[in-house]
Amino acid sequence: DIQMTQSPSSVSASVGDRVTITCQVSQEFSHYLNWYQQKPGKAPKLLIYDASKSETGVPSRFSGSGSGTEFSLTISSLQPEDIATYYCQRYGTFGGGTKVEIK
Amino acid sequence: DVQLVESGGGLVQPGGSLRLSCAASGFIFSDYWLSWVRQSPGKGLEWVANIKDDGTKKFYVDSVKGRFTISRDNAKNSLYLQMDSLRAEDTAVFYCAREKIATASAFEIWGQGTMVTVSS
Repeated sequence: DIQMTQSPSSVSASVGDRVTITCQVSQEFSHYLNWYQQKPGKAPKLLIYDASKSETGVPSRFSGSGSGTEFSLTISSLQPEDIATYYCQRYGTFGGGTKVEIK
Repeated sequence: DVQLVESGGGLVQPGGSLRLSCAASGFIFSDYWLSWVRQSPGKGLEWVANIKDDGTKKFYVDSVKGRFTISRDNAKNSLYLQMDSLRAEDTAVFYCAREKIATASAFEIWGQGTMVTVSS
């Protein structure tokens, strides 16, 4: 089975900071990786698909990169509304999540 | 508006059954693969099952194989999840989700979720 390991599991940063979340995959599989944002009590929201393509309406401060076994989601300038848990995913496997908080 | 609305959740005893429904609107239902994804209280997301646009292919996570059945009715724009032999560890919010075409199951549209509690 494919394993997806996210790091860090939580991050605390200041407004305006650059935040990077990493997803390491146990098997190499090209560029297929998706990223979601989930706020408490809400359904997840697709941010990035195919590793680097932004979903319609997603703020430009969110970007994705990577291929093979290592992928990342970057928030270029953290905003208060970005407080959420972020998940990577490919097909039937999700990463464990990264909780982003404001310092 | 493109929308998915789940229903059918509730409290059920261990060993019992429940049928979840997901009503779709605002898009051509028969064009898309659909999935069920669940989230246990305080935990992460877990994909449960998906079904091909025409209903001819179905896939499940190992933990629900033989107990859950995914189905769809394209004439009624509806997705279903029949859950039998329920266990305490099946307690979760269940979401239906639409998969973005030609991606690695990018879930582009989600319902609001329906809570399933398995407890005596």
